Amino acid sequence: EPEVTQTPSHQVTQMGQEVILRCVPISNHLYFYWYRQILGQKVEFLVSFYNNEISEKSEIFDDQFSVERPDGSNFTLKIRSTKLEDSAMYFCASREFDYGYTFGSGTRLTVV
Amino acid sequence: QKEVEQNSGPLSVPEGAIASLNCTYSDRGSQSFFWYRQYSGKSPELIMSIYSNGDKEDGRFTAQLNKASQYVSLLIRDSQPSDSATYLCAVNYKGNRDDKIIFGKGTRLHILP
Repeated sequence: EPEVTQTPSHQVTQMGQEVILRCVPISNHLYFYWYRQILGQKVEFLVSFYNNEISEKSEIFDDQFSVERPDGSNFTLKIRSTKLEDSAMYFCASREFDYGYTFGSGTRLTVV
Repeated sequence: QKEVEQNSGPLSVPEGAIASLNCTYSDRGSQSFFWYRQYSGKSPELIMSIYSNGDKEDGRFTAQLNKASQYVSLLIRDSQPSDSATYLCAVNYKGNRDDKIIFGKGTRLHILP
């Protein structure tokens, strides 16, 4: 069964450093998303991406965040200057048309 | 503010019984509804989707949708210990240019052997 692949599975970074989280969505999917889940809290929408541009973003997705699809297969989330409160599980998801979203296994980001 | 509400639980159900999970949502315009299962430390896994009023069955799972009451539910028949997880209700909301799903906080389900 096709799956969404995320790397790395765990990233530890120092406060103020830049991190890039990587995702390979399912190949025939058209819509791509990033969500995050702070420990013990709900899964929160960050951003959606379609046709090589951001289509929606939440209030969480401020100027410190950016997304890119550099080569037609990878989909990346960059956090420019990490804060302690950015520590969370980050999930990439993709979908085809109106079907349910398929989530990747996630990247656990720990900011120290 | 778009909201998806779930009872956080935990909901304890004996093995073999029916587990009933409920969810309400705030936006009458929502058209797509999903149930995800999430094991501790893992990603959400889609188990059911439902788009029209009524019941939809898939194996031991039945999703029920009542748009007039803005209510979605999930029934799990013949509950197994492996069903112990957090169940996330997700509702599709239409943004200006794209849809996105908004999750509830989830209901923790514990199946008692």
